[in-house]
Amino acid sequence: AQSVSQHNHHVILSEAASLELGCNYSYGGTVNLFWYVQYPGQHLQLLLKYFSGDPLVKGIKGFEAEFIKSKFSFNLRKPSVQWSDTAEYFCAVNTNQAGTALIFGKGTTLSVSS
Amino acid sequence: DAGITQSPRHKVTETGTPVTLRCHQTENHRYMYWYRQDPGHGLRLIHYSYGVKDTDKGEVSDGYSVSRSKTEDFLLTLESATSSQTSVYFCAISEGQPKYYEQYFGPGTRLTVT
Repeated sequence: AQSVSQHNHHVILSEAASLELGCNYSYGGTVNLFWYVQYPGQHLQLLLKYFSGDPLVKGIKGFEAEFIKSKFSFNLRKPSVQWSDTAEYFCAVNTNQAGTALIFGKGTTLSVSS
Repeated sequence: DAGITQSPRHKVTETGTPVTLRCHQTENHRYMYWYRQDPGHGLRLIHYSYGVKDTDKGEVSDGYSVSRSKTEDFLLTLESATSSQTSVYFCAISEGQPKYYEQYFGPGTRLTVT
């Protein structure tokens, strides 16, 4: 079955530290990739997306992600986190096999201390 | 933010009672989705719609039905609520097929079945 793995369940960082959240998926065909963020008590917001083209994708709020097809990965990065980045982050994948569904990872909680 | 509203935002109900959740959009998007979010599971697709009166099942559709009589409204019904359906329910919309368009999420409905 297709799946998305987010390796880090909870990440704790100090402000200004660099961030990298891992995301791997299990599907060998064409994929569309997404990162969503959910701030406490709020709905999911799209951070960035990859459909095709340049594998280095830049999103909102200084986030970026790199699609590495050979590693089935789409890791999220930010050079310097802020306290306001405290949230839960979800990686999601759409595949031709999945059809309409987005397959979500279980999420990574990021806590940033000031 | 995409124009998506969900009602009610919070609901407590008893086992065995019927419950209907409503999703309303003002974007005139063709696709609408219902997901549930549970700790340790991320988000999972319940049902989706690809047009008025056109719906299909997702990964966790058992115990749920949907209806879409107008482009802007997508209803999720729990015919006889069970405690396992206690969850946060998110509606999402997209302009077209997921392989071309991203999904935008509503604010969520927290449902508790006692």
